[in-house]
Amino acid sequence: DTGVSQDPRHKITKRGQNVTFRCDPISEHNRLYWYRQTLGQGPEFLTYFQNEAQLEKSRLLSDRFSAERPKGSFSTLEIQRTEQGDSAMYLCASSFSDASYEQYFGPGTRLTVT
Amino acid sequence: GNSVTQMEGPVTLSEEAFLTINCTYTATGYPSLFWYVQYPGEGLQLLLKATKADDKGSNKGFEATYRKETTSFHLEKGSVQVSDSAVYFCALSRDNAGNMLTFGGGTRLMVKP
Repeated sequence: DTGVSQDPRHKITKRGQNVTFRCDPISEHNRLYWYRQTLGQGPEFLTYFQNEAQLEKSRLLSDRFSAERPKGSFSTLEIQRTEQGDSAMYLCASSFSDASYEQYFGPGTRLTVT
Repeated sequence: GNSVTQMEGPVTLSEEAFLTINCTYTATGYPSLFWYVQYPGEGLQLLLKATKADDKGSNKGFEATYRKETTSFHLEKGSVQVSDSAVYFCALSRDNAGNMLTFGGGTRLMVKP
């Protein structure tokens, strides 16, 4: 397995448009996490799934954001009616739900809203 | 709520110098503590971790000890190399449950030859 992958790596969109990002976790991992990282800051938690169940959402995840993991494998993060403040790096991570709890991160999707 | 505070960078050192990056945290319960590293152009990688008080995490010459009495998890390395130049993030996960990570703001390390 080559690790966590994310697509696209870069996305430029105009304000008001909808965007969707995809994350493919490490295949054996049942937990999947989404984070957002703005320039010069640490990542901030958005939401996480165990299998197909979305177990926690941050208050950062406004109504314009929705995440799914329909079959417990890949996940999508959609942002509707994008705003300039949504410009950031969106990171996906996956892990086992065992005692080690190490999260493996993907390369991220950089979103620029113009 | 949970929070992590790291010393601000950049930290600039000469090769073979001693490194300390300070990290303190605020958390309820018994969090696990982590250091992640982000090399230029690459994704976040776990550097080391500690899951209970007085545990020492170590990897690639880096060490950090979980100090519950001072709520700290400072990163140290005895002799840095140019290849250690990266951004270092301290993080915690609450209650050893492997849920959300709370990150510090990151510290950029630049090592000069």
